[in-house]
Amino acid sequence: QQQVKQSPQSLIVQKGGISIINCAYENTAFDYFPWYQQFPGKGPALLIAIRPDVSEKKEGRFTISFNKSAKQFSLHIMDSQPGDSATYFCAASLLGYALNFGKGTSLLVTP
Amino acid sequence: EPEVTQTPSHQVTQMGQEVILRCVPISNHLYFYWYRQILGQKVEFLVSFYNNEISEKSEIFDDQFSVERPDGSNFTLKIRSTKLEDSAMYFCASSGPGIAKNIQYFGAGTRLSVL
Repeated sequence: QQQVKQSPQSLIVQKGGISIINCAYENTAFDYFPWYQQFPGKGPALLIAIRPDVSEKKEGRFTISFNKSAKQFSLHIMDSQPGDSATYFCAASLLGYALNFGKGTSLLVTP
Repeated sequence: EPEVTQTPSHQVTQMGQEVILRCVPISNHLYFYWYRQILGQKVEFLVSFYNNEISEKSEIFDDQFSVERPDGSNFTLKIRSTKLEDSAMYFCASSGPGIAKNIQYFGAGTRLSVL
């Protein structure tokens, strides 16, 4: 059973554009939704996270939008830069427990 | 900035051999995790460890796997008899006490190649 579904699998965005990655989850008990960024040869690094009591969280150019009723959440990267090119994973969990990752989105930001 | 350190970065082994993957979590962290990522697939949870015992494990973590915290700084994953399908990137993660428990910091991983 795939607990977290992520789309698209890959994404190409021009510099300055908006990158949008979507995730949907199955378990309504999940209460922690982080996004991880992974560069080649590195481990996943926490980018931003949200709890279900808020619908949006913004940190710099990165925003999570959360729709509890639809069981969906998304990552928006504003003013995308070539340095943002990486693989992005959404995840969901019960707070403090094992992370259930999506399959990842490979983002390429072209100059 | 403190980081999770994993050694070796790449381990090559023959099928049926035992391997031990090593991790040094961030020093004040109390919760430790192993995940794996088969090439091109998602990161999968294997096991979590707290207070010198397994707190949670996935279906992947069968009797071939074991974890240990042999001293105050290291956290190890042992695979007793490796199979071809164990080839993957293995990530160690750790998280802090209290409210920091939910923020898991990942190491750079050990690439395990089973031949």
